[in-house]
Amino acid sequence: DQQVKQNSPSLSVQEGRISILNCDYTNSMFDYFLWYKKYPAEGPTFLISISSIKDKNEDGRFTVFLNKSAKHLSLHIVPSQPGDSAVYFCAASKTTDSWGKLQFGAGTQVVVTP
Amino acid sequence: GAVVSQHPSWVICKSGTSVKIECRSLDFQATTMFWYRQFPKQSLMLMATSNEGSKATYEQGVEKDKFLINHASLTLSTLTVTSAHPEDSSFYICSAWDRGHQPQHFGDGTRLSIL
Repeated sequence: DQQVKQNSPSLSVQEGRISILNCDYTNSMFDYFLWYKKYPAEGPTFLISISSIKDKNEDGRFTVFLNKSAKHLSLHIVPSQPGDSAVYFCAASKTTDSWGKLQFGAGTQVVVTP
Repeated sequence: GAVVSQHPSWVICKSGTSVKIECRSLDFQATTMFWYRQFPKQSLMLMATSNEGSKATYEQGVEKDKFLINHASLTLSTLTVTSAHPEDSSFYICSAWDRGHQPQHFGDGTRLSIL
């Protein structure tokens, strides 16, 4: 049962434009959300996170938006750069889970073209 | 930032061999370490969760006798794939977590190829 869904397997965007990645979740107990970036043959690298008490978190070119009522979050990258080409994973957790387990989405492959 | 070292990065071995993968947190103490498996173009699948000094908890469908996990210290966890077969070929990734301090930090993964 996939509790975290990334319905777009791929996204192509022109350099300098905005990349918008979407993520939906089904479990209302999730209250902490993260985005990771992954290059081939490497482990995921943490990008940005958001707690359910917020609806927006910004860090440089990366902004995450959370819509709790819709159980939806999105990652905005602006401006997109060629080095942003990677697979992006959305992940969710419950802070009540003392083990900190993460549920991952299937990932979205982003390709930034010149 | 936090660094997690995973070793080896690539293993090729014959069917029937046992393979050990190490995961170390280099600059923080990891109360919990996680082991994931990733098939091509798929998401990370959690295999097991290990807490220092206690037995690992395996996800449904993961054979605990096949994938032995040891978390002997706050900075080291090992995954041993016993009697590996070609279907065990995959990309294995560990992550380390200091309880109460998100996020999890990941190693660079181990590409396991069983001939």
